[in-house]
Amino acid sequence: GAGVSQTPSNKVTEKGKYVELRCDPISGHTALYWYRQSLGQGPEFLIYFQGTGAADDSGLPNDRFFAVRPEGSVSTLKIQRTERGDSAVYLCASRLTGSNTEAFFGQGTRLTVV
Amino acid sequence: AQKVTQAQTEISVVEKEDVTLDCVYETRDTTYYLFWYKQPPSGELVFLIRRNSFDEQNEISGRYSWNFQKSTSSFNFTITASQVVDSAVYFCALREDNYGQNFVFGPGTRLSVLP
Repeated sequence: GAGVSQTPSNKVTEKGKYVELRCDPISGHTALYWYRQSLGQGPEFLIYFQGTGAADDSGLPNDRFFAVRPEGSVSTLKIQRTERGDSAVYLCASRLTGSNTEAFFGQGTRLTVV
Repeated sequence: AQKVTQAQTEISVVEKEDVTLDCVYETRDTTYYLFWYKQPPSGELVFLIRRNSFDEQNEISGRYSWNFQKSTSSFNFTITASQVVDSAVYFCALREDNYGQNFVFGPGTRLSVLP
C-alpha cells in the first residue's frame, strides 16, 4: 500500500504484560515518528527515528517504553509491564528527509490495558 | 520552547456557514513549519497544509483557506460554505528546523457541521 500501515489496529492486554506495536512507513521515508494520543487530546510525541537510529527519544515517558528500527524501515514500539495509564491510541508517522516536508500518519493502534 | 494553542475546544455551525479555526504558536526558532491536520471519526490524521516561516502568503484550496501572520504568531484556517463532511477534529502543528524534528500539536478543535 501507499500509506503508513500500523498493526494491530486494536490490542487489549492485561496489566503487567508486554506488547509490541508495529509500523510500516511509506517506502523511501527515512524519518519515522511515534506519537501517543489520549482521548480528547492532541498527539503527544514519543520518539523520532532518522534511518535506523533514534535521533530524539525525549518523549518516551519512562524506561518501560522502547522502540527500534533495525533496518531503517519497519519500526516496533515495545512497552514492558503495561499499566492502565498506557491505554491510548499509538500513532506512527513517516516523512521524506528534508526540512520542508510533512508527516503522513497511519491509522493508529488502539491499546487498552485492562 | 515550542507550543501550539488552539483556544476553541469545540465549534458547531450549520451547513453552508463559514467557520474559522484559530491557531497561535510559540517558537524560539527563526525557521519553522506550520501544519494543519484533520482527524475524522475514523481516527487517521489527514494532512491538509504545510507552511514555512519564510512564506507568509495566504493560501486557498477550494473551500479551505489559511491565513499566516508572523506578527501575531497565528496560522488560522477558514472553511467556506461548510459541509457535514467537514465535521472532524482539526489540529494545528509546529515543527522547528533547528531544535529537533518532532511535530508539536495543539489540543485540537472539534468542528461539528449540522445539516
